[in-house]
Amino acid sequence: GAVVSQHPSWVICKSGTSVKIECRSLDFQATTMFWYRQFPKQSLMLMATSNEGSKATYEQGVEKDKFLINHASLTLSTLTVTSAHPEDSSFYICSAIRGRGWTQYFGPGTRLLVL
Amino acid sequence: EDQVTQSPEALRLQEGESSSLNCSYTVSGLRGLFWYRQDPGKGPEFLFTLYSAGEEKEKERLKATLTKKESFLHITAPKPEDSATYLCAVQAGKTSYDKVIFGPGTSLSVIP
Repeated sequence: GAVVSQHPSWVICKSGTSVKIECRSLDFQATTMFWYRQFPKQSLMLMATSNEGSKATYEQGVEKDKFLINHASLTLSTLTVTSAHPEDSSFYICSAIRGRGWTQYFGPGTRLLVL
Repeated sequence: EDQVTQSPEALRLQEGESSSLNCSYTVSGLRGLFWYRQDPGKGPEFLFTLYSAGEEKEKERLKATLTKKESFLHITAPKPEDSATYLCAVQAGKTSYDKVIFGPGTSLSVIP
């Protein structure tokens, strides 16, 4: 299957700092990547769709100024949590679609803990 | 409103005890139904994609089937390493980049 990586795998930061999470498609090019958030014992919630070379599309209720997404190349999308607060603590997961298929392949996730 | 539900919420099986997980959906114009496995603290791992009613796919001890209203994930003679949360998701948009809706998942525990 397609390989998607994320970095870092976990991060602990102080309240008010910004955190950048990288999502890379390792063996394919992805014009579109997706960012999800998952709380304990809950399913995945789509935050935004990241498009290479254009602005991301955010889901209703997701603050675009809070969660900055940059899809700078066909293999890299970044999610920056700006001025993070404890309520932003969560598991963030990215995914990408390979070629013309319909299946999303997920990264391993990034655990964020804001103190 | 498009919706995906899964049952049971949790399932506990003895090793070797076969069973099925259910995914029911209400969407207009299903494009694809996906099954993923998720281990604690990890991203979902792709299992199957089903596109049309009547389609079946198999992988080792797992078999996924699809009807017009639901999908089943059959687990034959499960082993402890099959313990995980199984997620079902549906795609109903016009393109593969449209939103995928995830179900709440079924937590499977296989006891030795």
